[in-house]
Amino acid sequence: EVQLVESGGGLVQPGGSLRLSCAASGFTFRNHALNWVRQAPGRGLEWVSGISGSATSTYYADSVKGRFTISRDNSKNTLYLQMNSLRVEDTAVFYCAKDHGTYPRDFFDYWGQGTLVTVSP
Amino acid sequence: QSVLTQPPSASGTPGQRVTISCSGSTSNIGLNFVNWYQHLPGTAPKLLICTNSQRPSGVPDRFSGSKSGTSASLAISGLQSEDEADYYCAAWDDSLNAWVFGGGTKLTVL
Repeated sequence: EVQLVESGGGLVQPGGSLRLSCAASGFTFRNHALNWVRQAPGRGLEWVSGISGSATSTYYADSVKGRFTISRDNSKNTLYLQMNSLRVEDTAVFYCAKDHGTYPRDFFDYWGQGTLVTVSP
Repeated sequence: QSVLTQPPSASGTPGQRVTISCSGSTSNIGLNFVNWYQHLPGTAPKLLICTNSQRPSGVPDRFSGSKSGTSASLAISGLQSEDEADYYCAAWDDSLNAWVFGGGTKLTVL
């Protein structure tokens, strides 16, 4: 059974940093791209970032480019999102989503339950 | 403003057929597959339709997807109360080199 469990969310001040983690199990981790998707309060889903199975390719939404860094440790079956220079508008539930393929171009076949990030003074 | 355009709301009575549209452009829907996700607030989003029209295992055949040019649609027939949720379309955008989502459609079963 595929499982994606996010952690690391919490309350942080504007300008601060936070690192999210997503522990995965139930599939061959290195064979699949992974993504972060967020949902701000009262808003829709927004793709944030994606990384290929081998970690050689990374992709970012313009809204987070230069501030967020996606990475993965294929020996630990874990995905990360390092978030720096956080803004109030980054407040959202962040979901980890597994891609069907090796590159984040197919579809998200499994999602985690999400972790809440709140950016507030 | 979302790159893909969906109606913010849709509704129907039990047993009815409802369609939700998703409009994009040549750089996303026009070139790539469209996927649909169902999301109940507070839960993990669920893949409903992949590669324009394929249903993953476990998704009832009441749900169907189609694509034409730069638009796509999701149809739900035999509407049931448990279908009340938010529905999102998504496609890869070759110009942005990013996934783009529609703004979401809140489906109400009257």
